[in-house]
Amino acid sequence: EAGVVQSPRYKIIEKKQPVAFWCNPISGHNTLYWYRQNLGQGPELLIRYENEEAVDDSQLPKDRFSAERLKGVDSTLKIQPAELGDSAVYLCASSLDVRLGTEAFFGQGTRLTVV
Amino acid sequence: AQKITQTQPGMFVQEKEAVTLDCTYDTSDPSYGLFWYKQPSSGEMIFLIYQGSYDQQNATEGRYSLNFQKARKSANLVISASQLGDSAMYFCAMRENYGQNFVFGPGTRLSVLP
Repeated sequence: EAGVVQSPRYKIIEKKQPVAFWCNPISGHNTLYWYRQNLGQGPELLIRYENEEAVDDSQLPKDRFSAERLKGVDSTLKIQPAELGDSAVYLCASSLDVRLGTEAFFGQGTRLTVV
Repeated sequence: AQKITQTQPGMFVQEKEAVTLDCTYDTSDPSYGLFWYKQPSSGEMIFLIYQGSYDQQNATEGRYSLNFQKARKSANLVISASQLGDSAMYFCAMRENYGQNFVFGPGTRLSVLP
């Protein structure tokens, strides 16, 4: 069974440019997360989806970040315009449900560098 | 508010020896779960072990075990018989029954020496 797939793996853009990240979760996983991981730190939640509904986007900087999960499967995270401080690894994860003991499976992440 | 603390930025261990990675947490929710993830240099987070707040026994998964001390709010990961491939970042995470998100600590970098 395929794991969580993210693309691209690496992205270098100039500041003020737009960028988008794509995530394909594990088949059948209803819950999808986007996390941002700054260098040397733990991941921090940006947004969580239950099926196609964004149930927690309280940490998403909505002035420049947007996300969608069409048909409750794939998801896209967009930044427009990007700033130097957005340089980080963006991790997508999925889990079968939100029961306490259900682990999240992570993709390999997209490393974004804004220059 | 949730909080995960990992006080060891870096740890060294000799190959084949055991090592303990510390994790303390803070929550007011009586129902929660604790997770440990490994992140090698490739970047992917790999799930290692889970402990529920109501579990009576400490969790074990192969060479990984969790030393769960509920009253102290600590959930330390013990890796027995360390291998070179265990060198990685290790993250402790918590999920509250209320919040349902995974909240991660800052991580500990483990280096296994030959």
